[in-house]
Amino acid sequence: EDKVVQSPLSLVVHEGDTVTLNCSYEVTNFRSLLWYKQEKKAPTFLFMLTSSGIEKKSGRLSSILDKKELFSILNITATQTGDSAVYLCAVDPLMNRDDKIIFGKGTRLHILP
Amino acid sequence: KAGVTQTPRYLIKTRGQQVTLSCSPISGHRSVSWYQQTPGQGLQFLFEYFSETQRNKGNFPGRFSGRQFSNSRSEMNVSTLELGDSALYLCASSFNREGGYTFGSGTRLTVV
Repeated sequence: EDKVVQSPLSLVVHEGDTVTLNCSYEVTNFRSLLWYKQEKKAPTFLFMLTSSGIEKKSGRLSSILDKKELFSILNITATQTGDSAVYLCAVDPLMNRDDKIIFGKGTRLHILP
Repeated sequence: KAGVTQTPRYLIKTRGQQVTLSCSPISGHRSVSWYQQTPGQGLQFLFEYFSETQRNKGNFPGRFSGRQFSNSRSEMNVSTLELGDSALYLCASSFNREGGYTFGSGTRLTVV
């Protein structure tokens, strides 16, 4: 059965710390891995990763994919209280009729001032 | 440009009733997918529509159904509501599944 596992489930750090969130997956077909940030309701898109070893960056956030070991990490440097959110990882398989996007259960990140 | 719009924002229904939720995608997006989010199960895929056709379906009972109109707006219907259907229902749109999905703010459904 296809699955996406995120770790840790929750994390509490102090402002200024660097955090690494993990996402591992087992899927029959793989097209891309997606990261989202969910603060209150609507998850907001962060990154889409399709190729191994190519880091994607957006400000203090960065992410990389390892297709051989089937995992991705999301790094946040110099964390701020506004980074507090649930971070969701999802795998989007090939566009076959029975393929569907699979989300992990998320990592709840809380940044202490 | 306007984002993904979901209505209503909140809904309270009693067991046995049915409910219809609406999602208007970003203009030009033809793919609309629906998700159920609960604290215990996380985000679970319900179904995806593309150009008025259901393309994928998750592992939910037949009480959950949906449709997409020619203007790409989508509706989701849940019949014979159960307490366990209480959740945040999110809709997401995409141009063609490339570039990720844009989510709406969701409909919080409470079944009492």
